[in-house]
Amino acid sequence: DQQVKQNSPSLSVQEGRISILNCDYTNSMFDYFLWYKKYPAEGPTFLISISSIKDKNEDGRFTVFLNKSAKHLSLHIVPSQPGDSAVYFCAAKEYGNKLVFGAGTILRVKS
Amino acid sequence: NAGVTQTPKFQVLKTGQSMTLQCAQDMNHEYMSWYRQDPGMGLRLIHYSVGAGITDQGEVPNGYNVSRSTTEDFPLRLLSAAPSQTSVYFCASSWDRGNTEAFFGQGTRLTVV
Repeated sequence: DQQVKQNSPSLSVQEGRISILNCDYTNSMFDYFLWYKKYPAEGPTFLISISSIKDKNEDGRFTVFLNKSAKHLSLHIVPSQPGDSAVYFCAAKEYGNKLVFGAGTILRVKS
Repeated sequence: NAGVTQTPKFQVLKTGQSMTLQCAQDMNHEYMSWYRQDPGMGLRLIHYSVGAGITDQGEVPNGYNVSRSTTEDFPLRLLSAAPSQTSVYFCASSWDRGNTEAFFGQGTRLTVV
């Protein structure tokens, strides 16, 4: 039973446009959410996070939105660049507990 | 800055062989964990440790052992490798169990034939 779901295995976007990656979760005890980016043959790297007390967090071109009532979060990348092409993992955490990851979404940004 | 270092990067094992995947971090992090990545399944937690001398099981612990004798090192042992353990393994560390991000190593690609 997956507690964190990324229902889109892949997404293709034109350079300069917005990329929107989605994530749903089932555990209402999750209080911290993170996005990781992974290039081939490398480990995941932290991208951006959001606490459950917020509904938006922005860092440069990356913005994460959290809708607690819908148990849904999304990552917006504006504008998308070819270097953003990677696998993006959504992850969630209860305080004092471990990270639970989604299956990942492959983002391809076409130039 | 080394961060989280995993060795080896690649390994091929025969069924039934044993081996240890090494993980070391130089950030003085309390919390360390091992994940495996399989296609379509994301990263699944194998074992984790909240400090030296303390370990616990994650989501998929069967077939793996861990120990944490120092803050820096968190080795993962496969006692009798099986083809189902073919995967990419990642070690991660973080300051604590709270709202902090985890830092990952570059991974070990293991094939069991």
